[in-house]
Amino acid sequence: GAVVSQHPSRVICKSGTSVKIECRSLDFQATTMFWYRQFPKQSLMLMATSNEGSKATYEQGVEKDKFLINHASLTLSTLTVTSAHPEDSSFYICSARDLNRGGYTFGSGTRLTVV
Amino acid sequence: AQSVTQLGSHVSVSEGALVLLRCNYSSSVPPYLFWYVQYPNQGLQLLLKYTTGATLVKGINGFEAEFKKSETSFHLTKPSAHMSDAAEYFCAVSEEGGGNKLTFGTGTQLKVEL
Repeated sequence: GAVVSQHPSRVICKSGTSVKIECRSLDFQATTMFWYRQFPKQSLMLMATSNEGSKATYEQGVEKDKFLINHASLTLSTLTVTSAHPEDSSFYICSARDLNRGGYTFGSGTRLTVV
Repeated sequence: AQSVTQLGSHVSVSEGALVLLRCNYSSSVPPYLFWYVQYPNQGLQLLLKYTTGATLVKGINGFEAEFKKSETSFHLTKPSAHMSDAAEYFCAVSEEGGGNKLTFGTGTQLKVEL
């Protein structure tokens, strides 16, 4: 089946630094990828929709300059949390849409802790 | 606009008992409906989905769900709970042509007791 690889699974960074999270579709081309944020014991909140070769579409309330999304190829999308602060600590999950099989495949998530 | 309501943030069942997780949706167009399971510190795994056709959908691990348009529901069931079913379950809806975004419910934590 479709596989989405997300790295790193866990990262701890100092306040003020930037962190990059990668999401790769391993056996299919993903023209569209989605980035979610999940707070403890809560649901997933869509942050942005990433389309290959174009600018990401951000949801209302999500800071574009803080959460930089790049989707330079059909198999790779990255989320960079810039100038991270403790309140950015969260679980980030990517998802890719497989047009051939239909449906959405999720990465295994990244636990970001900003200290 | 689409939305999902999951009744019951926590459900507890005995091992071997019926599992019923409720999901109601709203959508302005025929919806695509999904159930996902999430184990701690992991991503989401698709249990089953409804797009078109047969309204009773069978998924992995013995789960199934029935799309009832008249009730705008897509409840998840499993005849006999197993300890390994303990996890967080999310119902989600998407609208084709609506940016293909998934909208999630708030989730239901399933606890399975001996």
